[in-house]
Amino acid sequence: QQQVKQSPQSLIVQKGGISIINCAYENTAFDYFPWYQQFPGKGPALLIAIRPDVSEKKEGRFTISFNKSAKQFSLHIMDSQPGDSATYFCAARTSGSRLTFGEGTQLTVNP
Amino acid sequence: GAGVSQTPSNKVTEKGKYVELRCDPISGHTALYWYRQSLGQGPEFLIYFQGTGAADDSGLPNDRFFAVRPEGSVSTLKIQRTERGDSAVYLCASSLGTENTEAFFGQGTRLTVV
Repeated sequence: QQQVKQSPQSLIVQKGGISIINCAYENTAFDYFPWYQQFPGKGPALLIAIRPDVSEKKEGRFTISFNKSAKQFSLHIMDSQPGDSATYFCAARTSGSRLTFGEGTQLTVNP
Repeated sequence: GAGVSQTPSNKVTEKGKYVELRCDPISGHTALYWYRQSLGQGPEFLIYFQGTGAADDSGLPNDRFFAVRPEGSVSTLKIQRTERGDSAVYLCASSLGTENTEAFFGQGTRLTVV
């Protein structure tokens, strides 16, 4: 019930391409869905987040698509850049509780 | 402070020893979380404080792990009788509250038990 499943485990994209990372959850009590970006030796940093009352949120090159009925959400990175190379984690949280993280996706953007 | 600060950044200890990991949250943040991140995995929840009290400690793996936050600011994660399986990066995060507010993470403490 508390798991968040993330795929793919790793992703290689050419510069300028679109990176897509998918997550699925089971717990319908989750009401906050953030994506975190983590560089080696650093803590996770919030990238973008969405609540289930909207189907899409866009901030610059980053877009979250949310499908409440399918219990799935995804991160799209448009015009991917080598500087985007990092590990990305989806997460979910119920109000007033801890974050449950996916397993992570290691993104490599080739120049 | 500018962000969540964790000390030390690296800690190597011998199996069976006791360790303390410190977290200084962002000033004014009432919620504080500890997570553990193993290599190639996502962070796993350990414990969460709201103010001075532990609101949820269900993620602590066993009674060798304990955390305190006596004045509602700095927190210390304590591990007794360390085992090699405790080796991981221990992350601390803080937020203004718990109602869908952003959690800010520190850089973590890399614990290696040899």
